[in-house]
Amino acid sequence: QQQVKQSPQSLIVQKGGISIINCAYENTAFDYFPWYQQFPGKGPALLIAIRPDVSEKKEGRFTISFNKSAKQFSLHIMDSQPGDSATYFCAASMPGNNRKLIWGLGTSLAVNP
Amino acid sequence: DTEVTQTPKHLVMGMTNKKSLKCEQHMGHRAMYWYKQKAKKPPELMFVYSYEKLSINESVPSRFSPECPNSSLLNLHLHALQPEDSALYLCASSQPGRSYGYTFGSGTRLTVV
Repeated sequence: QQQVKQSPQSLIVQKGGISIINCAYENTAFDYFPWYQQFPGKGPALLIAIRPDVSEKKEGRFTISFNKSAKQFSLHIMDSQPGDSATYFCAASMPGNNRKLIWGLGTSLAVNP
Repeated sequence: DTEVTQTPKHLVMGMTNKKSLKCEQHMGHRAMYWYKQKAKKPPELMFVYSYEKLSINESVPSRFSPECPNSSLLNLHLHALQPEDSALYLCASSQPGRSYGYTFGSGTRLTVV
């Protein structure tokens, strides 16, 4: 059972466009929602994260929008650049000593020059 | 120092070999993790060490044997692996229970022949 559902599986965007990746979750015990960016041959790197008491968080060109009632959150990449081409994973975790991450299946983003 | 260092970067081993993967961090994190990642898939949690004690084993086959010699080091001993064990093995660290995200290493690309 996929606890965090991510879409789309792949995305192609023109340079300068907006990339939007969506995630949905079921477990209301989740209290932390990070997005990771992974380039080929590298480990995932934390991009931006949000807690459910905040509806939006912006860091540079990256914004998370969070809808608690709909149990959905999304990543917006403004002014997308070819260097943003990577795989993006959403995740969720709940309180606990180990903070286990529940991952979405990933979105492969290609930004065309 | 905000890095998780993994060695070796690449490893090819036969099914009868014994090898070890190493992970080191100097961020003072007291939780360390081993993940396995197949191509185009999210990372799969294998083991969690919290305060140098094994706290989670995600039903990993015994041919994978983790070890945490101290708070900065994490090893994964490999023996009698199968070709399907070929994957990117990622180490990560965090503070136990902290909501902020993990820091991942760049991984070891393992090929079993």
